[in-house]
Order: sequence, then C-alpha cells, then structure tokens
Amino acid sequence: GENVEQHPSTLSVQEGDSAVIKCTYSDSASNYFPWYKQELGKGPQLIIDIRSNVGEKKDQRIAVTLNKTAKHFSLHITETQPEDSAVYFCAARSSGNTPLVFGKGTRLSVIA
Amino acid sequence: DTAVSQTPKYLVTQMGNDKSIKCEQNLGHDTMYWYKQDSKKFLKIMFSYNNKELIINETVPNRFSPKSPDKAHLNLHINSLELGDSAVYFCASSQVNSPLHFGNGTRLTVT
Repeated sequence: GENVEQHPSTLSVQEGDSAVIKCTYSDSASNYFPWYKQELGKGPQLIIDIRSNVGEKKDQRIAVTLNKTAKHFSLHITETQPEDSAVYFCAARSSGNTPLVFGKGTRLSVIA
Repeated sequence: DTAVSQTPKYLVTQMGNDKSIKCEQNLGHDTMYWYKQDSKKFLKIMFSYNNKELIINETVPNRFSPKSPDKAHLNLHINSLELGDSAVYFCASSQVNSPLHFGNGTRLTVT
C-alpha cells in the first residue's frame, strides 16, 4: 500500500520568512496530493491540493509542487505570519475510493 | 451549519466500558470515514463507508464497530475500552475524487 514520508517533523521560522515542507510517496499510481492544516483543538482543514497532471499550483501565499518522477511533493508558504503556526499534513491517494494516506505531520511555529 | 459534526467533543471513561461517538455530515457526500489520531498526531484510517456499505476496514480490533444508519451518519461504537484506545477520533466525509472534510474530533480518554 501507499506510504507517505514527511519532513521535517518540526519547523520554526521568523515571521515574514518562507517555510517549506517536503513529502515523498511510494505508490506510483497515486494521483491526488492534498495538504491539510490542523490548528489546536480542531480537525484538519484542506488548504491546497494538486493532481498528478499538474506540476505546480499556487493560492496566494501557499504553493504546492509535484515531481512525479521522483515521487515527491512540497508545500511552500511565503511571507509567513503567526497565524500560520499549526500542524501541517501531506497526504496521497491512488484512486477515488481509496482512503487518503497521511504523512506524520510537521509542526510549524512562526515566531513574531 | 457545520459540515461534519461529531459528538461528544470530549469523552472520559474507565477501562472496560462501552462508548459511542456519533458523526453526521450535511454535505451530501457518499463516503464517510473514521480516522484515529494518536498522541504523536499520526492520522490513520480506521473505516470507510460508501452509501452505508463498509468498503475499508483497516487492522482495527473488532471491539470497534462502525454503524451507518444512512449515508449522512456514521457512528463508532467501542466495546471493552482499553487504555490504548485513548486518542482523538476524527470523522470525515468526501465524494469520489474530491477533498476530505473533517469534523473537529472527539478526544477519548480511557482511565
């Protein structure tokens, strides 16, 4: 089955700097890669996703890149703000009915 | 108008008890899930239901039994609770090829 590795497990950045979180996946059939943000006491919320027919996607300060050949994808957050502090999860899925497999999460701290 | 709602938010109980967690979604999604998040924040799929039918049952003790009375509800019943069952349980829903929507979780503490 699919296995998703996520690095780093913790990340501290100064406000205004960029943050990058990287994930690798094992199943070459995976074609959907979402990123979730989990704030304290809440459920994970989708912040951006990318499908395998696209190499990059951007939404304001957030971007995701996908390298299908290397089977890795990354989340980029620019101009970080304290409210970006949270746990971020990457995930992968191979077909519409299979469940998402999550990475182990990255705790991002943005220091004001 | 919460999309995926689960109750209770907190559940504290003793070992050996039986408890249930309820989940409802008002998004019209066909598929619902239960995920378990352990103390290290690792999210792992437990069950998946599509239109009230069980389609995924990962390696979960048979003390855990999901029940789906209709496609908008997926409840989780746990028998003979053990200390290791302490975790946050998340309900989620989706349509085929669409993003997963999570509830806010139920923190289960077994003492």
